[in-house]
This record gives sequence, C-alpha cells and structure tokens, in this order.
Amino acid sequence: KQEVTQIPAALSVPEGENLVLNCSFTDSAIYNLQWFRQDPGKGLTSLLLIQSSQREQTSGRLNASLDKSSGRSTLYIAASQPGDSATYLCAVRSTHDNYGQNFVFGPGTRLSVLP
Amino acid sequence: KAGVTQTPRYLIKTRGQQVTLSCSPISGHRSVSWYQQTPGQGLQFLFEYFSETQRNKGNFPGRFSGRQFSNSRSEMNVSTLELGDSALYLCASSLNRGLATEAFFGQGTRLTVV
Repeated sequence: KQEVTQIPAALSVPEGENLVLNCSFTDSAIYNLQWFRQDPGKGLTSLLLIQSSQREQTSGRLNASLDKSSGRSTLYIAASQPGDSATYLCAVRSTHDNYGQNFVFGPGTRLSVLP
Repeated sequence: KAGVTQTPRYLIKTRGQQVTLSCSPISGHRSVSWYQQTPGQGLQFLFEYFSETQRNKGNFPGRFSGRQFSNSRSEMNVSTLELGDSALYLCASSLNRGLATEAFFGQGTRLTVV
C-alpha cells in the first residue's frame, strides 16, 4: 500500500528566504507526482506535475525534483513571499492496478511566510 | 477557460438525511474523481468516473455513491448521513484516464452534519 509523508508538518520563515519542502513515498512504482497548494477552506491549486521519467519541473519561483528510486520529491520555493503562505500537498499516482487512477496524498506542510 | 465548478459551496444537513453534491469538470475533460478531506484523515479517494462509468472506488461504505452524465458532469450522493461525514468534498477533473495527465481541483463543498 502506497504511503506518502511530508516533512516538515509546519514551517515558518521570514519573507525572502529560500525553502525546501520534502515528500516521501513508500512505493517507487509511480506514474507521476503532483504538488498542490491549498489555502484555508479552499480547494487545491495545481503547482507542478512531474512524470516518473522526469527529474524536475520548474514554474516561476518553484522547482520540484523527483528521485523515484529513493521515493523522494522536493519542492523548492525561491524568494518566499507572504502570499506563498498555504498548505502544500504532494500526491502520487501509483502503477499498481489496485491503486487505480487515484492520487495518494501526503498530510501536507503548512507554510507561513512572515512579512 | 472555466475551472472545475462544485456546487453548492456549503451545506448543513441533519444526521440521517441524504445529500447530493455536484461537480462540473473543465470543458473537454472526461475524467472526474472525488475526494474527502477531514482534519483527521487528510485527503482520501472516494471514486473516479470516466465515460459515465465508475472506474475505481476507494474504501468507503456503500452510503457513498456517485454517477457521471454524458456531458461529464458528476454527482456524488451520501445517504443516511453521519456526523463523521462532515468534511470538505473535492472534485478533480482530468482530460482523460491517462495517468500522465494533470488533475485540476474545484473549490470543494463543505458539508456539515449536525
């Protein structure tokens, strides 16, 4: 059974800092991994999608890497801003049939960027 | 281009009642999945629909059901509501069933059972 963990559970940083969020998964047989952000009481906003054959993806100040063999992904946020404050979730799609098409989500990292 | 639309945004129901939630995917998207989010369990997969057929189902009781219409809009129904069904219900839309496709989520429906 695929399990996803995220470290740290919460993070508070001053504005302008670069930071790294970590995601680990137990089964390396994945199709892809997607990073989302969630603002309080809201839905999920897609940030980056990394296919299993890719090593990293970049979008603006965000860079996500994937090391499938070790079951790890990192989300790097450069020059953090107060508007980046949110919960960041990673989710994987596994190749095993019994996982189907669904995502398995991590518990999230709650980020606070202080002005 | 409109995103994923979920209605209603908020619902308050009484134990024992039933409820129906609606999800309209992004135009052209054919796959719709539903997730339940609670503080204790996080995000958990409910079911996935594609071409009006349920393709996969999570580990939830039979009180949770859904369907998809020919225009790809989907509904989920929860019967005999329990207090523990209080949650944010999220719908995800994907272009097709290809596992490489990106998923886009709606704003969710906040269900409170009293």
